[in-house]
Amino acid sequence: DAGVIQSPRHEVTEMGQEVTLRCKPISGHDYLFWYRQTMMRGLELLIYFNNNVPIDDSGMPEDRFSAKMPNASFSTLKIQPSEPRDSAVYFCASTLPGTANTGELFFGEGSRLTVL
Amino acid sequence: GESVGLHLPTLSVQEGDNSIINCAYSNSASDYFIWYKQESGKGPQFIIDIRSNMDKRQGQRVTVLLNKTVKHLSLQIAATQPGDSAVYFCAELPSMDEKLTFGTGTRLTIIP
Repeated sequence: DAGVIQSPRHEVTEMGQEVTLRCKPISGHDYLFWYRQTMMRGLELLIYFNNNVPIDDSGMPEDRFSAKMPNASFSTLKIQPSEPRDSAVYFCASTLPGTANTGELFFGEGSRLTVL
Repeated sequence: GESVGLHLPTLSVQEGDNSIINCAYSNSASDYFIWYKQESGKGPQFIIDIRSNMDKRQGQRVTVLLNKTVKHLSLQIAATQPGDSAVYFCAELPSMDEKLTFGTGTRLTIIP
């Protein structure tokens, strides 16, 4: 079975450029989460959706970050303009309603972003 | 603020031995506690969870212990194998919430 699919796996860009990260959740999963992982701050929740609706975006660092989920099979995380401190691995995860409140998430392999 | 933390950042264990990874938490309102494994270059992978009304749960080669008195969580891995080498995260989920909070992680290295 296909897991959570993220693209690109790696991206190197220059400061000021727009970055778009993409995620395809597991089919049938109603919940989608975006996490960021850095050495300094570990795994941080940025935003999550339920049935394509953003539920909590309190983890989004600032207005430069935005996320959308236009349909049940696709989500994007956009950074515009990007800054060097945005360099991190960004993970997308999905889960079912029954496992969203037990903490069992299914993670993608991540998108490693480097902003020069 | 409340947080989930780990006692040891690194742990090396001889192959075949048992390993214990520890975690301290501070949110007494958490309902579920979860362990994740993250191999190099991959996303975190769910291992096992335990609900706050339990003190022990066993899986295949893994056991999670929960001590609510001292707010301590541990993951025991029996008969470790090279494939167990990874970073292990504890995480907690408050009651009636869907936002998982991760600890900082412990790197487990299995020595052949």
